[in-house]
Amino acid sequence: AQSVAQPEDQVNVAEGNPLTVKCTYSVSGNPYLFWYVQYPNRGLQFLLKYITGDNLVKGSYGFEAEFNKSQTSFHLKKPSALVSDSALYFCAVRGLTGGGNKLTFGTGTQLKVEL
Amino acid sequence: DVKVTQSSRYLVKRTGEKVFLECVQDMDHENMFWYRQDPGLGLRLIYFSYDVKMKEKGDIPEGYSVSREKKERFSLILESASTNQTSMYLCASSMPFVRTSVNSYNEQFFGPGTRLTVL
Repeated sequence: AQSVAQPEDQVNVAEGNPLTVKCTYSVSGNPYLFWYVQYPNRGLQFLLKYITGDNLVKGSYGFEAEFNKSQTSFHLKKPSALVSDSALYFCAVRGLTGGGNKLTFGTGTQLKVEL
Repeated sequence: DVKVTQSSRYLVKRTGEKVFLECVQDMDHENMFWYRQDPGLGLRLIYFSYDVKMKEKGDIPEGYSVSREKKERFSLILESASTNQTSMYLCASSMPFVRTSVNSYNEQFFGPGTRLTVL
């Protein structure tokens, strides 16, 4: 079965500094990987996905993620954090059951960007 | 823009009540999903549907059922609510996964969530 690990419950960053939110995965076959963000009292919003191709994926709001097959990681990054980036971030991997329609999510990482 | 709406943002019910959570999407998506979100556990899939009248169990289906009579609407039913079903419930929809196209895995679009409290 597929799984996703987000090892940090919370990440604190100063505004203007680079940020990294970590994600590692386990899946049979080719990994299809996603990052979502959840702002307070809101549903999840899609940020970016890796399906195939370039290991560096660019997404919304200046975020990018680096796929590393040997380390089975898909870390989310941003060169310069903003206070408005403070939110809950989820990594997800596509499952092979249910006709390939199912996503398995990590437990989430709370990002706090401070002035 | 895809819009996924959920019938209530906040709901308070009593133990043993039958509860209906409704979800509607306006983008003609084949796939629809129900998740629950709990602190420290992330999102867990309850049920999903890949076509009208079709449903498949997710990871935690016990105590829940679903109904999809129309393509745009997917309902989650708690037959007899219990306190351990107090949670945030999120609905999502997506286009289908097409096996013949490696780039076709489409992201899910989420509704705003329903925070259910069972007393």
